Amino acid sequence: QKEVEQDPGPLSVPEGAIVSLSCTYSNSAFQYFMWYRQYSRKGPELLMYTYSSGNKEDGRFTAQVDKSSKYISLFIRDSQPSDSATYLCAAKAGTASKLTFGTGTRLQVTL
Amino acid sequence: NAGVTQTPKFQVLKTGQSMTLQCAQDMNHNSMYWYRQDPGMGLRLIYYSASEGTTDKGEVPNGYNVSRLNKREFSLRLESAAPSQTSVYFCASSEGSDTQYFGPGTRLTVL
Repeated sequence: QKEVEQDPGPLSVPEGAIVSLSCTYSNSAFQYFMWYRQYSRKGPELLMYTYSSGNKEDGRFTAQVDKSSKYISLFIRDSQPSDSATYLCAAKAGTASKLTFGTGTRLQVTL
Repeated sequence: NAGVTQTPKFQVLKTGQSMTLQCAQDMNHNSMYWYRQDPGMGLRLIYYSASEGTTDKGEVPNGYNVSRLNKREFSLRLESAAPSQTSVYFCASSEGSDTQYFGPGTRLTVL
């Protein structure tokens, strides 16, 4: 079993929809959680970074972590075609730990 | 600021050939990483270097060697390429355990 599980999609939504992406993890030691966005044929870029449980909002993006259920989410409001990309979740146990990535969810936002 | 650069962008090798993937960063980061990305497997860490002069194995180091040439450069060498090494390779860098910044990737095909 992978330490971080993610539905590969693809997920297709119309422009303006609210998008919900999620990951589950198995390692209780994970405390730092990230979402990366990866456009086709490009390297991943950090989108959101959260520590422990709770919510973090940045513009149209909201990241949520529920450590009790080992569940992390990313919500995108008012989705745009430019949001079409693969979204990777990642987690690590401590500040000096290595990142463990999910396999990524491919999102397509249609006009 | 170019960030993280990788060369080459594309490469085709025959089984048994060797090659070196080059990575350089201009952000004065101490830590550098090599990942491979395969469909359904996500990003997997091959090797990393926490600081100049040190290297450590990641999740999938077999068949690879690395050199941290100086603070800026971190190379990945395939001594005898195998078809199982067909993948997209990403280099990343970070300041300590902080956010990782990724390069654009090298698409490698081994025939």
